[in-house]
Parts: sequence; structure tokens; C-alpha cells
Amino acid sequence: AQSVTQLGSHVSVSEGALVLLRCNYSSSVPPYLFWYVQYPNQGLQLLLKYTSAATLVKGINGFEAEFKKSETSFHLTKPSAHMSDAAEYFCAVASGGSYIPTFGRGTSLIVHP
Amino acid sequence: SQTIHQWPATLVQPVGSPLSLECTVEGTSNPNLYWYRQAAGRGLQLLFYSVGIGQISSEVPQNLSASRPQDRQFILSSKKLLLSDSGFYLCATTSDSRYEQYFGPGTRLTVT
Repeated sequence: AQSVTQLGSHVSVSEGALVLLRCNYSSSVPPYLFWYVQYPNQGLQLLLKYTSAATLVKGINGFEAEFKKSETSFHLTKPSAHMSDAAEYFCAVASGGSYIPTFGRGTSLIVHP
Repeated sequence: SQTIHQWPATLVQPVGSPLSLECTVEGTSNPNLYWYRQAAGRGLQLLFYSVGIGQISSEVPQNLSASRPQDRQFILSSKKLLLSDSGFYLCATTSDSRYEQYFGPGTRLTVT
């Protein structure tokens, strides 16, 4: 069984501030982990993925995430927020030959000028 | 790379009317295909997935159905729409590794 918890349905930051979106997962086998971004009225777009290689994963648009097995976490960060980062972010886990990922409920990132 | 097409982009339908949403995929063969729905403020809900032609698995009991008449075509249907069917419908496929997903642009359905 696998599950994902995203802490905080909304995160608000100022432009230029650090972005931290939290994701914790549970999985009975080594997981594949993903972050997706969704802009209004669009489909989801893959930001980055962890597939058991390097624990620090770099993605598009300056985002990165670190896989911490001991904490069962895969938090998404970006050093400096931009107005264009305002969107919905989804964490997802897939594992054990199941080709059906489990998605978190999403976190809406709000960026203030 | 894979490209997913969905149409229509938006749709307004009265309660009780039929529905047909279409998804086609380019750039891959024998893909896994998925239909998701996003209701306002409720995240992603997996409705159906398919691992091959004619093979459909339903995740949520409802008045919707899905079909896969061709390898890269996935159709979502309903005979009679309910108000609760309103939402943003997303078609998705997986990469060659079968784990990460790629999404189409979505269809916004409003049932009135």
C-alpha cells in the first residue's frame, strides 16, 4: 500500500523568498516519487522525479527535492520564488510494479509581490 | 516524446444529457491510459485506467464508463449526466518506465 500526505493546502510566500512544499509518503517497497505542477485550467506537468538514484533531485524552473528515507519525506524547494511559480503542486508516489500512482491532495502556492 | 490530445476543451451540458470525451496519444505505442477527474478543491480522482485495447479497470463506481477502441484512443462516456459530474477531466499516459505520468490539457465539463 502507498499513500501521500501534503502538509498545507495553501502556502503563501513573497516574491524572492524560499519556497518549501512538504510531502510525506508511505510505501511498503522502495518508492518512485514525483512532483507535478498544474497551472490554472491546464494539465499536470512533471517537475521532477526520484527513481532511486541521487537523493537530491533537480527539476525544471529551479525547483529541487530531496529524498529522505529516514523521514519518509520528499519536500520540494526553490531558493527564490517568482510570480510565475504560483500554481497547484502535487506530490505522487508509485511503487512495486503498480502503474497507478497515488497523488497527494495538492498544495496551492501563492506568491505575493 | 509523447503528446496527448483531449477534446473538447470545454463543454456545458444539461443534466441527463449524454457525454463523450476523447483522448488520443501520439509518440508511443501500447501505452497505459488513465482518466482522472478534478472537482473543485478536491484533488485528483482516478476514474479508469487501461493497459491495452478493450481492457478497462474502473476505480470508482459511478455513471461514467470508458472504452479503448484503438491502442492510442481512450474515450470517457456517460448516458445521463449528473450535476456531480461537473469537473476538470484529465487524460494521462505513462512514460516508457510506466511510472511517471504525462497529462493532456484537460476538458472542463459543466453540467447545468
